[in-house]
Amino acid sequence: EAGVVQSPRYKIIEKKQPVAFWCNPISGHNTLYWYRQNLGQGPELLIRYENEEAVDDSQLPKDRFSAERLKGVDSTLKIQPAELGDSAVYLCASSSPNNEQFFGPGTRLTVL
Amino acid sequence: QQQVKQSPQSLIVQKGGISIINCAYENTAFDYFPWYQQFPGKGPALLIAIRPDVSEKKEGRFTISFNKSAKQFSLHIMDSQPGDSATYFCAASMTGGADGLTFGKGTHLIIQP
Repeated sequence: EAGVVQSPRYKIIEKKQPVAFWCNPISGHNTLYWYRQNLGQGPELLIRYENEEAVDDSQLPKDRFSAERLKGVDSTLKIQPAELGDSAVYLCASSSPNNEQFFGPGTRLTVL
Repeated sequence: QQQVKQSPQSLIVQKGGISIINCAYENTAFDYFPWYQQFPGKGPALLIAIRPDVSEKKEGRFTISFNKSAKQFSLHIMDSQPGDSATYFCAASMTGGADGLTFGKGTHLIIQP
């Protein structure tokens, strides 16, 4: 069974530029999560989707971050414009019917 | 407000020894407590998880001990091996794990050969 797929794996951009991350969850997993992991810290939840509906986006900085999950499968997380403090690893996870969360490898973002 | 406190921040254990990592939580609504293992450049991988209806769960060399009254849980790694060297995160969630996870800050474990 394929795991959670994320792309790109690495992204380097200059501040004020836009950036987008893509996630393909494990087949059959209806719940999808985006987390941000700062260096030396645990992941922090940004948004949770149940199928195509964002059911918890309370921690998403909505002034510059947006996300979508069209058709309830793949998801995209966007930052526009990026700031220096956005440098982090962005992790996507999906959960099985018994709520076990499985993480992808992440996208490491560096904002210069 | 840090809802899940993890200790120690780093830990060095000799090969064959027992590694013990502790976590404490504040929110009594948490009802799902997983442990994740993360290697450099990789995403966190689920190791073992427990729900508050049991006090202990064992899978291979990994054991979770759970103390509901103290709001604490711990990970024990028996017969620790160099391949266990990684960062370990405890986490907690509500509604049986359906909600997003709240993670501790991590423990960097080194197993010396």
